[in-house]
Amino acid sequence: QKEVEQNSGPLSVPEGAIASLNCTYSDRGSQSFFWYRQYSGKSPELIMFIYSNGDKEDGRFTAQLNKASQYVSLLIRDSQPSDSATYLCAVNLFRYADGLTFGKGTHLIIQP
Amino acid sequence: ETGVTQSPTHLIKTRGQQVTLRCSSQSGHNTVSWYQQALGQGPQFIFQYYREEENGRGNFPPRFSGLQFPNYSSELNVNALELDDSALYLCASSFGTDQPQHFGDGTRLSIL
Repeated sequence: QKEVEQNSGPLSVPEGAIASLNCTYSDRGSQSFFWYRQYSGKSPELIMFIYSNGDKEDGRFTAQLNKASQYVSLLIRDSQPSDSATYLCAVNLFRYADGLTFGKGTHLIIQP
Repeated sequence: ETGVTQSPTHLIKTRGQQVTLRCSSQSGHNTVSWYQQALGQGPQFIFQYYREEENGRGNFPPRFSGLQFPNYSSELNVNALELDDSALYLCASSFGTDQPQHFGDGTRLSIL
């Protein structure tokens, strides 16, 4: 099993709909979870982080964490064409101290 | 507030050479982490520096080394460059080792 796994996509969502991005991780003891957005040719930009089970909302973004299932997700409401990007899930796995382990990313396309 | 800055933005080297990449952390941040991102992949953790000491290292050989200075800026040094070292090198800073990390624009390194 890969340490942090994401569906690479592309995930195509109509404008105005909810985009749902998923991520699973291997280390049950992980405590910190991050979502980054990366536009083509640019560096990753932090959009959400979550430490506790449940939901965390920030504007149009909601991060959901289920530690029992080792699953974290990102919901984007009212999707806009500018949301089209690669979304990277990152987890703080203890094996690298506080270094982050990233998934390969999910390529999201918002169709106008 | 000044963000994370990296230099140079692009660099071309040949196999066997050595390279030094530089990073200035965001104002108020005392931790710097370095990542390597190959095309189509998520970033891979190289190492992290906190208060001038290495705090965690990923699966990279010893020819990847680093430094952090008293002003929290950092360098990544790579010796004996190989073709597979061609990648985007990202620096991220945070206020604390386990806090959200913010990335600079990266240095794109090409090995010929």
